[in-house]
Amino acid sequence: AQSVTQPDIHITVSEGASLELRCNYSYGATPYLFWYVQSPGQGLQLLLKYFSGDTLVQGIKGFEAEFKRSQSSFNLRKPSVHWSDAAEYFCAVGAQNNDMRFGAGTRLTVKP
Amino acid sequence: DTGVSQDPRHKITKRGQNVTFRCDPISEHNRLYWYRQTLGQGPEFLTYFQNEAQLEKSRLLSDRFSAERPKGSFSTLEIQRTEQGDSAMYLCASTRGGSGEAFFGQGTRLTVV
Repeated sequence: AQSVTQPDIHITVSEGASLELRCNYSYGATPYLFWYVQSPGQGLQLLLKYFSGDTLVQGIKGFEAEFKRSQSSFNLRKPSVHWSDAAEYFCAVGAQNNDMRFGAGTRLTVKP
Repeated sequence: DTGVSQDPRHKITKRGQNVTFRCDPISEHNRLYWYRQTLGQGPEFLTYFQNEAQLEKSRLLSDRFSAERPKGSFSTLEIQRTEQGDSAMYLCASTRGGSGEAFFGQGTRLTVV
């Protein structure tokens, strides 16, 4: 079965600084990859997804992620973080005939 | 509004009682997932349905847990003889097919006292 590792439990960045959240997956075939964001008391919202094609995918709120098959990674990036980006971020991996598995999440704190 | 609704939003129950949660997915979505999320953790997969068929169950789903999706539309998750360790947020999600974006409901927060 597929699995996801998010190595960073908590990251703090200053507002306006760049951000990269790491995600590594394990899956035997080409995975479907997702990043979700969860704000306190809110449901999970999809930021972006990768199914095939261009390995650099653009999402909402200025986020992007790059699929690197050789590194089994799908890191999330944003060039300039806003205070409203403070939230919990989850990477997930799925497959066409299988369920979706989530990482443990990375909590992002934004310093003013 | 994601279109997936869960009821109730909050449930407080005494240990040993049975509870049932309901999930109404987006109407044209044939796949429905249940996840459990505890504080500081990512959603843990419990089970999923394709239409009315339950295709996979996690080993987290003990025999006290049962899920149904009788007509391939809404789903229920029942927990019998609740334990304090069952306290968590129970999330439902639906997708169109197996590769689509999963839309999540707001979840049902269960507290077992």
